[in-house]
Amino acid sequence: AQTVTQSQPEMSVQEAETVTLSCTYDTSESDYYLFWYKQPPSRQMILVIRQEAYKQQNATENRFSVNFQKAAKSFSLKISDSQLGDAAMYFCAYTGNQFYFGTGTSLTVIP
Amino acid sequence: DTGVSQDPRHKITKRGQNVTFRCDPISEHNRLYWYRQTLGQGPEFLTYFQNEAQLEKSRLLSDRFSAERPKGSFSTLEIQRTEQGDSAMYLCASSPGDRDRGEKLFFGSGTQLSVL
Repeated sequence: AQTVTQSQPEMSVQEAETVTLSCTYDTSESDYYLFWYKQPPSRQMILVIRQEAYKQQNATENRFSVNFQKAAKSFSLKISDSQLGDAAMYFCAYTGNQFYFGTGTSLTVIP
Repeated sequence: DTGVSQDPRHKITKRGQNVTFRCDPISEHNRLYWYRQTLGQGPEFLTYFQNEAQLEKSRLLSDRFSAERPKGSFSTLEIQRTEQGDSAMYLCASSPGDRDRGEKLFFGSGTQLSVL
């Protein structure tokens, strides 16, 4: 069975600083994708970044980047130059045959 | 492209009543997913459709739950004889369906169900 674990229920970061959110997953598949989704108070899920497991290069999207360690089954999200609008729940997700989400990390950005 | 829309946004019902939610995916998206999310948890997969075919159902989906996508466009999720444990946010998502996996999901704003 595939599982996704986010061990940090809450995180906080000072505005303009950098924060890293952790995610680990368990799978027996070799071909899969990993995602980070953001859920602001409006509760609409928004895709932040996607990583293909067969690619060794870490994905980046502007201020967002990942550290993908396939052997360790780790997929962390780094947010650089944090902004107030980054405050939200962040969910790590795995897709093989289905989408599996972690329990989320609530990120607070301190002005 | 107006995005994925869900109706209603909020539903309050009494235990034992039936409720139905609607999801309109992004036009031309072949795949449609239903998820359930409770407070403090991530979305849990319920079921998904490829066009009008319901390809997979989670074990979470009891016999009181039924979903349809009759013409491969909008979808409905019905819960019969609601229970307090059904209280949750019900999320719908769609994707183009042009690859087997790794697709980006586009989510709606969800329907918040409260069962009294």
